[in-house]
Amino acid sequence: QVQLQESGPGLVKPSETLSLTCTVSGGSISTYYWTWIRQAPGKGLEWIGYISDDGFTKYSPSLKSRVTISVDTSKNQFSLKLSSVTASDTAVYYCARRGGLLSTTPPGYYYALDVWGQGTTVTVSS
Amino acid sequence: DIQVTQSPSSLSASVGDRVTMTCRASQNITRYFNWYQKKPGKAPNLLIFAASSLQSGVPPRFSGTGFGTDFTLTISSLQPEDFATYYCQQSYGSPFTFGGGTKVGIK
Repeated sequence: QVQLQESGPGLVKPSETLSLTCTVSGGSISTYYWTWIRQAPGKGLEWIGYISDDGFTKYSPSLKSRVTISVDTSKNQFSLKLSSVTASDTAVYYCARRGGLLSTTPPGYYYALDVWGQGTTVTVSS
Repeated sequence: DIQVTQSPSSLSASVGDRVTMTCRASQNITRYFNWYQKKPGKAPNLLIFAASSLQSGVPPRFSGTGFGTDFTLTISSLQPEDFATYYCQQSYGSPFTFGGGTKVGIK
């Protein structure tokens, strides 16, 4: 059973770079897309971006100028870097797998976030 | 970007009630639509994918309908463990936006 675990500093100073890693266990990082999502206090879920096992990325336009997602297949890990953080980047950050799921009605494969990490809280404060 | 509008933002219901919530996408996304359950301090859990397909392990009291721009999640008989916040998400195109959430509380 695939499991994901986020790791990284829980406190980041304003203007610095937030760095998180997600370790994939119980399965290979290959053939899937891997996603970062966050939830600010009292807010909803925000999609940050994803990366494929061969390094193809897509980012949210609102964060694109500050976000980098990378993958290390040898370690079965992928990472998030968010630069120039402010207090508004304080959130619980989740990593998740974008799985290809088979629907029978109608038949076909569809994508959804089917495996999630437990989340890690990052606070931006001096 | 595709916008997803979820309603209501909150509702109150009793155990055994039938509960319905809706999402509307800003453009036609066919069946590329998912629903998640979120409890405080826990990661979201996938309930429904492809608008109406039940994820493995999810109780059949959860069901999804819809196509195009309008989608609905129904809980046929609300159970105590269903009090949570529910999020919809479009998986048609990047960025894969979420709705604002519907919090299901105890009446």
